[in-house]
Amino acid sequence: DSGVTQTPKHLITATGQRVTLRCSPRSGDLSVYWYQQSLDQGLQFLIQYYNGEERAKGNILERFSAQQFPDLHSELNLSSLELGDSALYFCASSVVGNYQETQYFGPGTRLLVL
Amino acid sequence: GDSVTQMEGPVTLSEEAFLTINCTYTATGYPSLFWYVQYPGEGLQLLLKATKADDKGSNKGFEATYRKETTSFHLEKGSVQVSDSAVYFCALSDPFTGFQKLVFGTGTRLLVSP
Repeated sequence: DSGVTQTPKHLITATGQRVTLRCSPRSGDLSVYWYQQSLDQGLQFLIQYYNGEERAKGNILERFSAQQFPDLHSELNLSSLELGDSALYFCASSVVGNYQETQYFGPGTRLLVL
Repeated sequence: GDSVTQMEGPVTLSEEAFLTINCTYTATGYPSLFWYVQYPGEGLQLLLKATKADDKGSNKGFEATYRKETTSFHLEKGSVQVSDSAVYFCALSDPFTGFQKLVFGTGTRLLVSP
């Protein structure tokens, strides 16, 4: 158990809908990351937050957004969903976001868009 | 941009065989290097890491040495077990980017038979 929790574990929805994925980092970690794992794109970095503020963006679509709350949990919002958004979404956390730090991953949320 | 190249899988071995999974990287700076493992239906777990050249990371019988001259971080284990069957991801974090995002290889599936 990494200490990172994600809910829900599975999500099935329809095209055009909006969903919210939730992540709670390890106790004491200030930095949260979101990654997408799909068969065609592999594991891709989406976005990073540090202590409530956005620090870096990767290959995140404009239809996707995220935020980190004062209690340090984070939410990833996916809107106007398309079939291609079906993937496994991981949250990870680390202490401060230094490049040498280990990122600890949650179990993931599997999203299926029908 | 930064990239990680891993050998194609699956790698199929018998129990107690020697394992090597090749990983090479391209990075602007001097990155930290990681091996993560993903067991079926689970999230990513850190297996080992190395943060500077010639460092050797080791854990659970697995080893990898950071080779700057060949830009490689090959994963090895002397005697694999059935329980090692999983997908292994090589990843880097490049300080030149100014923030910590993990760049992953495509993953190598290992299948160990009794």
